[in-house]
Amino acid sequence: ETGVTQSPTHLIKTRGQQVTLRCSSQSGHNTVSWYQQALGQGPQFIFQYYREEENGRGNFPPRFSGLQFPNYSSELNVNALELDDSALYLCASSLGVAGLNKTQYFGPGTRLLVL
Amino acid sequence: AQTVTQSQPEMSVQEAETVTLSCTYDTSENNYYLFWYKQPPSRQMILVIRQEAYKQQNATENRFSVNFQKAAKSFSLKISDSQLGDTAMYFCAFMKLAPGTSYGKLTFGQGTILTVHP
Repeated sequence: ETGVTQSPTHLIKTRGQQVTLRCSSQSGHNTVSWYQQALGQGPQFIFQYYREEENGRGNFPPRFSGLQFPNYSSELNVNALELDDSALYLCASSLGVAGLNKTQYFGPGTRLLVL
Repeated sequence: AQTVTQSQPEMSVQEAETVTLSCTYDTSENNYYLFWYKQPPSRQMILVIRQEAYKQQNATENRFSVNFQKAAKSFSLKISDSQLGDTAMYFCAFMKLAPGTSYGKLTFGQGTILTVHP
């Protein structure tokens, strides 16, 4: 186990709804990255938060947004859900991207199904 | 943009034997990091091994080792003495620090499903 936790484990929503996914980073880690993993595919980078600010973003529309809190936990919010948003959402924490250890440690993920 | 290619969608190996998973990548960068992650059926992604591009020596972690060929942009994973618990999806991933920023994203390959047979 990596020490990164995510909630909920599973979620079912309908098209057009909004969803919030949560992530608690490994103790001491101040950087959180979010990835979307479609079935049978590799994860795709959504964005990264470092010290409570968005620090980089992948090719995802603005309806994907996030927050990082002072305790370094994070939320991923998705508005106006579309069927293609159905995926496993992975959170990964790391100790300061600019630091020597750039390894990202992943949580178990949240499986989102949009109907 | 960086791309990572894993050309073997599926591989199988007998328990106790050795298997090699292939990965190639495309980048114009000189300094970067390469990773192999394992995602068992329970789905939590686990780091297997990492390699810094500036290091010529191949990384090794117990039964796992890599063959890093920087000029060929190749980064293969060798698993020795395969065990049933090695059954998983294996992802090769690339990271560089974006110029002028302090963030680094992982770019993943498509994955290789490895099945270890008893």
